[in-house]
Amino acid sequence: TQLLEQSPQFLSIQEGENLTVYCNSSSVFSSLQWYRQEPGEGPVLLVTVVTGGEVKKLKRLTFQFGDARKDSSLHITAAQPGDTGLYLCAGDLPSNTGKLIFGQGTTLQVKP
Amino acid sequence: NAGVTQTPKFRVLKTGQSMTLLCAQDMNHEYMYWYRQDPGMGLRLIHYSVGEGTTAKGEVPDGYNVSRLKKQNFLLGLESAAPSQTSVYFCASSKDRGPYEQYFGPGTRLTVT
Repeated sequence: TQLLEQSPQFLSIQEGENLTVYCNSSSVFSSLQWYRQEPGEGPVLLVTVVTGGEVKKLKRLTFQFGDARKDSSLHITAAQPGDTGLYLCAGDLPSNTGKLIFGQGTTLQVKP
Repeated sequence: NAGVTQTPKFRVLKTGQSMTLLCAQDMNHEYMYWYRQDPGMGLRLIHYSVGEGTTAKGEVPDGYNVSRLKKQNFLLGLESAAPSQTSVYFCASSKDRGPYEQYFGPGTRLTVT
C-alpha cells in the first residue's frame, strides 16, 4: 500500500491544454515536495510546501498544499512539450526521521 | 562543484555475484540516501545515513548493505545479486532533515541475469 497516492499515473495531452496532478494520503505531513525527473536523470526539486493551505506558483505551475496537510496538487497551465517528464510528490512525516515518502509518480507526455 | 555523482552508470551482473555502488557528494551534506526506482513504484528508500559513521534501514533494505565511513561517500553493496534487484538506483543527499531539498545523482542502471 502506497502511503502517498498519485493520480493519474499517466497523462498524455496536447500542447496548450491544462492539467492537474493529485497527491493524496491519509497521513499528515510536515511538508511536501514536488520533483520532476527527465529520462536518464535524477529527480530535481520544483517546490516545497510547508503550511496547510499554502499555494506556490512557479511560472505556469501552481502547487497547493491541502488545509489538513494530507494532500497536494500540481496544476500546469498551457502545457508545453518541455513539461514532459515524471512528476513525483514526496512527503516528510512529522516523526522527522529525515526520510521522504515518495508517491509512485505521474508520467506526463505533452504532444506538440 | 559536481553535486552528487554515482559510479558506475550501468552494470550487468549474474545471479549470485556481488558489487558495490559508490555515491559521492561535494556539498558537505549530513544526510545521504539510497533509493531504487522501478516502473510504477516511484522511489523506494533502501538505506539512509544521518551522518558520518551512521546508517539506518529504509523501506526495502533486504539484500543490501551500506557504509558511510567518510561524510562525502555512501556505498551500497549487493552481496549476492538476484534478478529482483534489477532496477535503477539513485543516491541523494540533503543538508538536514525536514523540508530540505534532496539532491539526486544521475542513477545507476543495474541488470541481474
